Amino acid sequence: EPEVTQTPSHQVTQMGQEVILRCVPISNHLYFYWYRQILGQKVEFLVSFYNNEISEKSEIFDDQFSVERPDGSNFTLKIRSTKLEDSAMYFCASSKSTGTGYEQYFGPGTRLTVT
Amino acid sequence: DAKTTQPPSMDCAEGRAANLPCNHSTISGNEYVYWYRQIHSQGPQYIIHGLKNNETNEMASLIITEDRKSSTLILPHATLRDTAVYYCIVRVDSDMRFGAGTRLTVKP
Repeated sequence: EPEVTQTPSHQVTQMGQEVILRCVPISNHLYFYWYRQILGQKVEFLVSFYNNEISEKSEIFDDQFSVERPDGSNFTLKIRSTKLEDSAMYFCASSKSTGTGYEQYFGPGTRLTVT
Repeated sequence: DAKTTQPPSMDCAEGRAANLPCNHSTISGNEYVYWYRQIHSQGPQYIIHGLKNNETNEMASLIITEDRKSSTLILPHATLRDTAVYYCIVRVDSDMRFGAGTRLTVKP
């Protein structure tokens, strides 16, 4: 069964450093998403991406964040200058379509720890 | 702007059916009801979704009331591995809006 994969599983970085989180969506999916979950809190939407463009983004997704699909398989989330409050689990998801009748499949997540 | 209400926690005996309720009294006619679950800090796992009709797949059944103001997720034979937080989501936009969910504990 196809799965969304994410690397690394755990990333430790120092405050102010740049990090890139990587995701490989399900191969025939066209819509991609990033979510995050701060420890003990809800899963929060960050951004959706389609056709090499951001479709929607939340207020969390500020200028420190960027997304890219550098090739036909990878989807990345970059945080330019990490802050302590960026420590969280980051989940990538993908779906066949953006319509509300299409389910999203989530990856296992990357645990980002900013020290 | 919570669209759903779920009990914070429930227990279920292993081997019995787990029935997880969700209220969504302000749901609109074209909004789907989705269920996901999250085991520990793993990625949310898709379970099932529906619009009006009851749905069943290999994991669960989804029963939606005729007025669509509430639904129930049924795990027919709960196992210890079904212990997780279960999220009922009324999907308005392209993103999934997760609430606090119901923490289901399956006990031996």
